[in-house]
Amino acid sequence: RKEVEQDPGPFNVPEGATVAFNCTYSNSASQSFFWYRQDCRKEPKLLMSVYSSGNEDGRFTAQLNRASQYISLLIRDSKLSDSATYLCVPMGGANNLFFGTGTRLTVIP
Amino acid sequence: ETGVTQSPTHLIKTRGQQVTLRCSSQSGHNTVSWYQQALGQGPQFIFQYYREEENGRGNFPPRFSGLQFPNYSSELNVNALELDDSALYLCASSPGMTEGGNTIYFGEGSWLTVV
Repeated sequence: RKEVEQDPGPFNVPEGATVAFNCTYSNSASQSFFWYRQDCRKEPKLLMSVYSSGNEDGRFTAQLNRASQYISLLIRDSKLSDSATYLCVPMGGANNLFFGTGTRLTVIP
Repeated sequence: ETGVTQSPTHLIKTRGQQVTLRCSSQSGHNTVSWYQQALGQGPQFIFQYYREEENGRGNFPPRFSGLQFPNYSSELNVNALELDDSALYLCASSPGMTEGGNTIYFGEGSWLTVV
């Protein structure tokens, strides 16, 4: 079983749409969780951390369900600049990040 | 800018050759991790160095080896290159093993093509 499973997409949505990404992780010992964003041919960049209580950063909302080992990301009012690949990332011990394959989002004018 | 620099940015090697990739970590960061990202995949953890010692390794063969220097910069060496080694190699630095993940910074990566 893979450490992290994500729907690879692609998700093609119009500007202004709301889009949701989900992922599941297999290591129940993971304590920290993140969403990273990766633009084409660039390095991954931290988008936001994910907390059990759920957290919001502007148009982005992340949720964690430890019981189901499930993480989600909601993007509201999509912008063209949101087009990227979104990577679900649980962290193992010693700051090792386990990346999923990512979900590709294209926001269409 | 993250303060993590990698070199070279692009290189082409022939199957069977050896390659060395370099990473300078952000100032004050003593932990460096290396990741391999093949086309269409997420980054895969290769290994991590903490204060010049290997501190964890992913599912990569021994021909992938590394080094960390006293200034915490690091090298990734790959021997006997195979076509499947073609990928983006990412270096990430952090201030310590137990610091939060939001203090992990990636370099821009080294693109390796094996022909």
